[in-house]
Amino acid sequence: EIVLTQSPGTLSLSPGDGATLSCSASQSLSASQLAWYQQKPGQAPRLLVYRASTRATGIPDRFSGSESGTDFTLTISRLEPEDFAVYYCQYYGGSPLSFGGGSKVEIK
Amino acid sequence: QVQLVQSGAEVKKPGASVKLSCKASGYRFNIYYMHWVRQAPGQGLEWMGIINPSGDTTSYAQKFEARVTLTRDTSTSTVFMELNSLTSDDTAVYYCARGSTVTNYRAFDFWGQGTAVTVSS
Repeated sequence: EIVLTQSPGTLSLSPGDGATLSCSASQSLSASQLAWYQQKPGQAPRLLVYRASTRATGIPDRFSGSESGTDFTLTISRLEPEDFAVYYCQYYGGSPLSFGGGSKVEIK
Repeated sequence: QVQLVQSGAEVKKPGASVKLSCKASGYRFNIYYMHWVRQAPGQGLEWMGIINPSGDTTSYAQKFEARVTLTRDTSTSTVFMELNSLTSDDTAVYYCARGSTVTNYRAFDFWGQGTAVTVSS
């Protein structure tokens, strides 16, 4: 089973700042099968990125994903007030499907 | 538009079972795989299982395999999740989610609103 480790646990930033969230896999992921989700309090998660770097439909281009080996990154170029939330990575290339523990982006 | 509408909150006693529903609309229900994901209070997301479009094949996370059953009714575009032998550790919000075609149905592009299940004596 692939384990995903997200860091940092919490990121305290101001609107307009850039954010870099990391997701490290315990082993190589086949075909970059990693997704990122955003979850706000009391809401269901929302798909942001799949295949490590492809934005889902309707996702603003300030969100971008990248990968380097077993390390994956979600970058938010300029934080908007609505971007303060918890972000999860997910591996979908095997079974069980697995999520990272989440990274919270909070207002500084 | 795509909608997944889940059944209402449940309160159960330890040892009981719960069956949740998720009614889909706005898309061709019978070509999409469906998943269930849960989230304990203040915790992260946990995948429980997947059911194929025809409902004759399921796959479960090993943690739940002995206790969970996913079914679906194509006539009503509804998927169901039944979880048995509940303990307090099953207190969580349970989400249904649609598998995205661009990820071979294994990432989730639409989610239900969630159903809170509380297990308490």
